[in-house]
Amino acid sequence: QQPVQSPQAVILREGEDAVINCSSSKALYSVHWYRQKHGEAPVFLMILLKGGEQKGHEKISASFNEKKQQSSLYLTASQLSYSGTYFCGTEIIGANNLFFGTGTRLTVIP
Amino acid sequence: GAVVSQHPSWVICKSGTSVKIECRSLDFQATTMFWYRQFPKQSLMLMATSNEGSKATYEQGVEKDKFLINHASLTLSTLTVTSAHPEDSSFYICSADSRTGGDYGYTFGSGTRLTVV
Repeated sequence: QQPVQSPQAVILREGEDAVINCSSSKALYSVHWYRQKHGEAPVFLMILLKGGEQKGHEKISASFNEKKQQSSLYLTASQLSYSGTYFCGTEIIGANNLFFGTGTRLTVIP
Repeated sequence: GAVVSQHPSWVICKSGTSVKIECRSLDFQATTMFWYRQFPKQSLMLMATSNEGSKATYEQGVEKDKFLINHASLTLSTLTVTSAHPEDSSFYICSADSRTGGDYGYTFGSGTRLTVV
């Protein structure tokens, strides 16, 4: 039930953009996005609900394609603080739990 | 905002002993809490769903007799690793559904790094 993320890793220079994709084989109720720094717990970024939402705050936004069971996280004009591992979390319709994706390690360099 | 407190942050124990990890929701009630395990450079793997006042639901492959979960109140869930072995060494993280009344998603505790020697 683990969703698959791509790419596995990406290196950006400050100011560049990145897209992280999350794909599930199950019908989804919602998709959550988290960022985790080394040795710390994941930090919630945003949640997208069934219905084809798009959301964003500051320079991080996301979309949810309900028909394809896919979500994408968009990071624009990346900053050094964006470095970390990004996980999508998926809630399957009818289930009250969250399964995390395979993760994408993002490194932003000066 | 929603806050989940997890203790201890780290623990070192001898092989064969038991370790208890606590997870508390500080400013909201959590009828359901979740326990994850994360090995280095890997994703978070859901171990079990903890339901207040009832038995936990374990994911396939997780030994329920080894990882005892108790959710006695709406704000506290505990995970006890019994007869710990070195292969149980990992980062254990709890979370709770904090979406009622806000856009918080699932809130995570700070995690517990368990080392079994």
